[in-house]
Amino acid sequence: SAVISQKPSRDICQRGTSLTIQCQVDSQVTMMFWYRQQPGQSLTLIATANQGSEATYESGFVIDKFPISRPNLTFSTLTVSNMSPEDSSIYLCSVESGYGYTFGSGTRLTVV
Amino acid sequence: AQSVTQLGSHVSVSEGALVLLRCNYSSSVPPYLFWYVQYPNQGLQLLLKYTSAATLVKGINGFEAEFKKSETSFHLTKPSAHMSDAAEYFCAVSGSSGNTPLVFGKGTRLSVIA
Repeated sequence: SAVISQKPSRDICQRGTSLTIQCQVDSQVTMMFWYRQQPGQSLTLIATANQGSEATYESGFVIDKFPISRPNLTFSTLTVSNMSPEDSSIYLCSVESGYGYTFGSGTRLTVV
Repeated sequence: AQSVTQLGSHVSVSEGALVLLRCNYSSSVPPYLFWYVQYPNQGLQLLLKYTSAATLVKGINGFEAEFKKSETSFHLTKPSAHMSDAAEYFCAVSGSSGNTPLVFGKGTRLSVIA
């Protein structure tokens, strides 16, 4: 199955700033998925990123707040823009890797 | 649209007792169903996956799940709970294409009492 390297693993950021999260996959994949896990909650899909096209966002998530790049078949970034304390969550990327869906180790974001 | 419902946000069992975590799905297409486990402050680990082959799926750490189409269920079981099984468990569903994302249930926190 695919292996995902996600970074940073955690960060503490000031409100109003932006953080870019990176995911590198060790094989080429068509789709990458970005999720948010709020404290004590389940995973919610933010968007689906397909190489060479605009990401598809779920209801409640907008490109201005969560811009995504997908420059090639092994890499993607998610930016959390103009952060507020409500953005404090774990952010995870995921790919389908033949047997199941593999997840990055997550980025634990705290906004102060 | 696909969805899963996990019955019980918190389940507590004694060590050595049967573990039963419930999951019901809703899908307009034949679903792929998954169980993931998340230990405290750790990432997600795949326990097992159903993809329309055998209805009884065996996973890691002694867990298994049975797909019952008539009941739209995919409950997770383990005959004998260990203290190390204490974690958050998520049921998830996807379409048959790897280009569709997983949709997660709200999760069930399993506590194991000595």
